[in-house]
Amino acid sequence: GQQVMQIPQYQHVQEGEDFTTYCNSSTTLSNIQWYKQRPGGHPVFLIQLVKSGEVKKQKRLTFQFGEAKKNSSLHITATQTTDVGTYFCAGLYYYTGTASKLTFGTGTRLQVTL
Amino acid sequence: DVKVTQSSRYLVKRTGEKVFLECVQDMDHENMFWYRQDPGLGLRLIYFSYDVKMKEKGDIPEGYSVSREKKERFSLILESASTNQTSMYLCASSTDFRGGLAKNIQYFGAGTRLSVL
Repeated sequence: GQQVMQIPQYQHVQEGEDFTTYCNSSTTLSNIQWYKQRPGGHPVFLIQLVKSGEVKKQKRLTFQFGEAKKNSSLHITATQTTDVGTYFCAGLYYYTGTASKLTFGTGTRLQVTL
Repeated sequence: DVKVTQSSRYLVKRTGEKVFLECVQDMDHENMFWYRQDPGLGLRLIYFSYDVKMKEKGDIPEGYSVSREKKERFSLILESASTNQTSMYLCASSTDFRGGLAKNIQYFGAGTRLSVL
């Protein structure tokens, strides 16, 4: 079955430092999604990448999808305390013609201190 | 706004009990999912359903079953709860048929933290 690995498992940064989490799939993905889960909350969708080599930005967050569509990264520039949470990547796989499911990575927990 | 509602935030059950976790979504989504979340293991898919009365096993279906009698409702059943089923359970729904950003995105409920004693 599909496996999606994510590193690091945990990172602690000072506010203002940059942060990156990496995601690798054992198989080629249709697309990749990123979710954020705040402490005590549930995962919330951030973005979806579809094309090989795609790069998307959301303010201080930069998302990349690898050329082979098997890896992805999320980079946060100048972290803030509001960035605290666990970031999950999720690979999309089609199990019928149109129906899909996600395989989630193990997540990276980000802690930001002043 | 999409709303996915899970019936309980916290649940305490005894070993051997039959446990029902209920999930309701109000967006007419075709797909519904049950995950469990454990520290260091991420979200692991238990079962999913892409239509009423349809179900598919996920990655860790052992010890669980599901029911989807109506499109908006997806139930997770622990036939005989065991201590290793103590976990956070998350329900999600998605659609494959709308264009643009909404397609394939999963919307999660608040989760049910289940403790089996």
